[in-house]
Amino acid sequence: DAGVIQSPRHEVTEMGQEVTLRCKPISGHNSLFWYRQTMMRGLELLIYFNNNVPIDDSGMPEDRFSAKMPNASFSTLKIQPSEPRDSAVYFCASTRGGEKLFFGSGTQLSVL
Amino acid sequence: GQSLEQPSEVTAVEGAIVQINCTYQTSGFYGLSWYQQHDGGAPTFLSYNALDGLEETGRFSSFLSRSDSYGYLLLQELQMKDSASYFCAGAIDYKLSFGAGTTVTVRA
Repeated sequence: DAGVIQSPRHEVTEMGQEVTLRCKPISGHNSLFWYRQTMMRGLELLIYFNNNVPIDDSGMPEDRFSAKMPNASFSTLKIQPSEPRDSAVYFCASTRGGEKLFFGSGTQLSVL
Repeated sequence: GQSLEQPSEVTAVEGAIVQINCTYQTSGFYGLSWYQQHDGGAPTFLSYNALDGLEETGRFSSFLSRSDSYGYLLLQELQMKDSASYFCAGAIDYKLSFGAGTTVTVRA
């Protein structure tokens, strides 16, 4: 199994630009999570999907952030417009259920 | 809400034993998980305790006491490759919340 696949690995953009992060979960996993990691705030849950449906987006910082999961094998996290404070590592994780989350390699986002 | 507290860093020598404690404050909480993250890498699952007691997986063991809202991760026979950050995580339903992490540095 290829594991959770995220792209791009690194993204450098200018303030105000739109950023789209992509995630392919492990086949057969029905739950998908987007996390953000910073030194100051640690690992924060942004949004959770179950069977492609957003269940809880209370962790999304503000309206500039949106996430979609059009099918079981693909999800996106979009930031529009981006701001320097959005700079972080964004992880996607999936699970078949239970406590074992499988994380992707993450996207290192730098907003200048 | 959920709050998990763990020490920020621990340093030990190769071959030593390290215990990382985790205390949590939450209601409706079930189970405690542990994840390892090497610098620049992704968190990887180490263990999960749903019930009180000790779970052993090779050199790593994890313990949970729900009555004390406390758990720990025990790293035995430390190796240089064990230098990493270790996170305890607790779940209510689907929401897995992570502690701030403990950086373990293994010295030769």
